[in-house]
Amino acid sequence: DVKVTQSSRYLVKRTGEKVFLECVQDMDHENMFWYRQDPGLGLRLIYFSYDVKMKEKGDIPEGYSVSREKKERFSLILESASTNQTSMYLCASSPRETDNSPLHFGNGTRLTVT
Amino acid sequence: AQSVTQPDIHITVSEGASLELRCNYSYGATPYLFWYVQSPGQGLQLLLKYFSGDTLVQGIKGFEAEFKRSQSSFNLRKPSVHWSDAAEYFCAFSGGYNKLIFGAGTRLAVHP
Repeated sequence: DVKVTQSSRYLVKRTGEKVFLECVQDMDHENMFWYRQDPGLGLRLIYFSYDVKMKEKGDIPEGYSVSREKKERFSLILESASTNQTSMYLCASSPRETDNSPLHFGNGTRLTVT
Repeated sequence: AQSVTQPDIHITVSEGASLELRCNYSYGATPYLFWYVQSPGQGLQLLLKYFSGDTLVQGIKGFEAEFKRSQSSFNLRKPSVHWSDAAEYFCAFSGGYNKLIFGAGTRLAVHP
């Protein structure tokens, strides 16, 4: 069974801090994604990666960057955290097949920026 | 613009009652459609998916969904709801590269 592991369940950071959210998947999936989940807005795509060292912007990339140095690991970076980045962050992965591969999600990291 | 609309933010049903959660999409072609469920404190779990063929698809936990091209809809149904079905439900479609575009979600409460 696919496992997507997010390193932290809860994080509390201060405004201006640099924040790293880590995600690891164990099924050799090519595609990895970072979503942000907010009440009433559903999930919005921040960045995704379809291969090592490759990244593409999603719908809301501003204030975020990503790193994918190894196939199994996809990191989301908040260069200078702000209070409007307080949210639930969900990582997901999928194999590089056609568009019909469902995503496998981690349990999420709830980030609070004070 | 590509989008998914879930018109109902909250729905409350009694245990044993039937359930229908609505989903409408806006996309230029026939989409790949998905329903996910998120239990409190958990990630998202795939309930079912539609790619092509039979427009009525069966999923896990007794859920089914019907694709209606003429209405651009993909509504989720269950004939008899259990208390454990209380969760948030997300409709989504694939926007290329397996990127999913999600609706805002419907939160389901189940009364005993």
